[in-house]
Amino acid sequence: DAKTTQPPSMDCAEGRAANLPCNHSTISGNEYVYWYRQIHSQGPQYIIHGLKNNETNEMASLIITEDRKSSTLILPHATLRDTAVYYCIVSYNNNDMRFGAGTRLTVKP
Amino acid sequence: DGGITQSPKYLFRKEGQNVTLSCEQNLNHDAMYWYRQDPGQGLRLIYYSQIVNDFQKGDIAEGYSVSREKKESFPLTVTSAQKNPTAFYLCASSIDPSGGNQPQHFGDGTRLSIL
Repeated sequence: DAKTTQPPSMDCAEGRAANLPCNHSTISGNEYVYWYRQIHSQGPQYIIHGLKNNETNEMASLIITEDRKSSTLILPHATLRDTAVYYCIVSYNNNDMRFGAGTRLTVKP
Repeated sequence: DGGITQSPKYLFRKEGQNVTLSCEQNLNHDAMYWYRQDPGQGLRLIYYSQIVNDFQKGDIAEGYSVSREKKESFPLTVTSAQKNPTAFYLCASSIDPSGGNQPQHFGDGTRLSIL
């Protein structure tokens, strides 16, 4: 079973920031938080990951709370091409990646 | 360009037949993985391999078999023992199978259907 809880769906206006929440209240000290997304009929695409500190790359920012029990993925300026299912995963190694149902983000014009 | 290639993109199988899905990577990654995805659901791990000539069962290995004779190749056979094989199959690889600081990279999947 997935160790995370995500809302099943969210909408966002094009050009606005998309903030996708994830709860992982049972996360262990050595587990990373990963975010992937999957556009229909394609393989998942890696977005970003982190352990304790906030992270930023060219795609997104990851904000992890101080107690590490939740995180937020931020897409700063959402476009229509960001419409996808977003998966939040906690894992300490790649043999234990649990993909739940994710959040279906719809970016609207 | 480096990446993971899965073939074919669509595959049809008659009941009672075995079928093999191909997965090749040129990323020089040590670890490779096979997942199954059913409609509207997340991914479930079938098998994984951390090094050549070694592989481990995942959560739903029954009815499937794999081999890892070469670092770049990790084919998956869906056997006739798999009672509900219709699904989207995804292959992935990662640099370091044991460390938690390396993401997995995925292919674009093979969609298997039963005739």
